[in-house]
Amino acid sequence: EVVLTQSPGTLSLSPGDRATLSCRASQSVSTSCLAWYQQKPGQAPRLLIYAASSRATGIPDRFSGSGSGTDFTLTISRLEPEDFGLYFCHQSDSSPFTFGPGTKVDIK
Amino acid sequence: QVQLVQSGSEVKRPGSSVKVSCQVSGGTFNNSVISWVRQAPGQGLEWMGGVMPIFRAPIYAQKFQGRVTISADESTSTAYMELRSLSSRDTAVFYCTRGPTRFFYDTTGFYLPTSEYFQNWGQGTLLIVSS
Repeated sequence: EVVLTQSPGTLSLSPGDRATLSCRASQSVSTSCLAWYQQKPGQAPRLLIYAASSRATGIPDRFSGSGSGTDFTLTISRLEPEDFGLYFCHQSDSSPFTFGPGTKVDIK
Repeated sequence: QVQLVQSGSEVKRPGSSVKVSCQVSGGTFNNSVISWVRQAPGQGLEWMGGVMPIFRAPIYAQKFQGRVTISADESTSTAYMELRSLSSRDTAVFYCTRGPTRFFYDTTGFYLPTSEYFQNWGQGTLLIVSS
């Protein structure tokens, strides 16, 4: 099973700050099979990034994804108030398809 | 626009079963993969399995094998997830999801469909298991 580890667990930042979220896989994951989701309390997750670096429809360009192999990064260039929430990475390369434990981005 | 609408909240006794539905509209149902994801209170996301209606054979995470059945009714564009032998540890929100299809080889050599990523999500169904 591919274990995804996300860091940090919590990121306390202010609006306008840059956020860098890390996702590390226990074995290599194809870039086409790595995605990022945002989740807010009481809501279903929302797709942000697929294929490691492609933005989903309607996602602002302040969100960007990068990485390959076992190390992937989600960057939010300038945090907006609506960006605070929980972020998960996900791999669909190898069954069982797994998610990271999440990084919480909250207001400092 | 693709929409996934799930059935309502459930309260079940330990040892019983639950069947959750997910009706898909606005997209092609038969050749897409509908997957199910579990989220326990305050916890992360856990993939349970999925089904491609035209392919018929569902795939399951080994953790849930033998206790879950995922199926699809093409006539109503509805997918189902049945979970049996419920315990308090199954208290969670269950989501159905849909995304672009890709095929992969499983450990036994079968070429199977799954979602490359989860583009569309249902609103979630809360299951409470309590005596």
